[in-house]
Amino acid sequence: AQSVAQPEDQVNVAEGNPLTVKCTYSVSGNPYLFWYVQYPNRGLQFLLKYITGDNLVKGSYGFEAEFNKSQTSFHLKKPSALVSDSALYFCAVRENSWGKLQFGAGTQVVVTP
Amino acid sequence: DTAVSQTPKYLVTQMGNDKSIKCEQNLGHDTMYWYKQDSKKFLKIMFSYNNKELIINETVPNRFSPKSPDKAHLNLHINSLELGDSAVYFCASSRNRGGGNTEAFFGQGTRLTVV
Repeated sequence: AQSVAQPEDQVNVAEGNPLTVKCTYSVSGNPYLFWYVQYPNRGLQFLLKYITGDNLVKGSYGFEAEFNKSQTSFHLKKPSALVSDSALYFCAVRENSWGKLQFGAGTQVVVTP
Repeated sequence: DTAVSQTPKYLVTQMGNDKSIKCEQNLGHDTMYWYKQDSKKFLKIMFSYNNKELIINETVPNRFSPKSPDKAHLNLHINSLELGDSAVYFCASSRNRGGGNTEAFFGQGTRLTVV
């Protein structure tokens, strides 16, 4: 069975500082990993994905994520956070290309000026 | 152009009523989903259809019945609504079940409030 965990309910960071949102996963097969962002009263927006290839994946809005197979992690990072990055971030995993897309519990990111 | 559109955006109804939420995608995707987001923002998959065929049916009460008239539409009908059904329901679609381009695109959500 697959699972995905986001250990932090909330991450607080000052504008201009690096931002990291943690995600760990568990799958039997090859993991397909995704990050989504949800702004208030909006749907989820796709940020980036890891399917295969380079462990460092670059996505929208300056975000990137690093796939670490040995630690079964896929942490989201941004070198310099903006106040507008304040939102709810979801990590998701799909076991192989046709498994169901399962989401973590979400991490609220708060960026203060 | 809206890629995945849901209607209505807000739905307030009384317990015991029957209601439907419609979803349409113009992305040419083969797979569509319904997710429920509860008050704690937890997202749980309910159903998934691939080319009008049901492929995922999670442990959802049988009061919830999805209908896919064609691969661009996946509607959700809910019978005998209960207070606990209050949530935000998201429709989503993805290109296909196989291959690498399997990220899902989400609609704006339907906020259902049962009173």
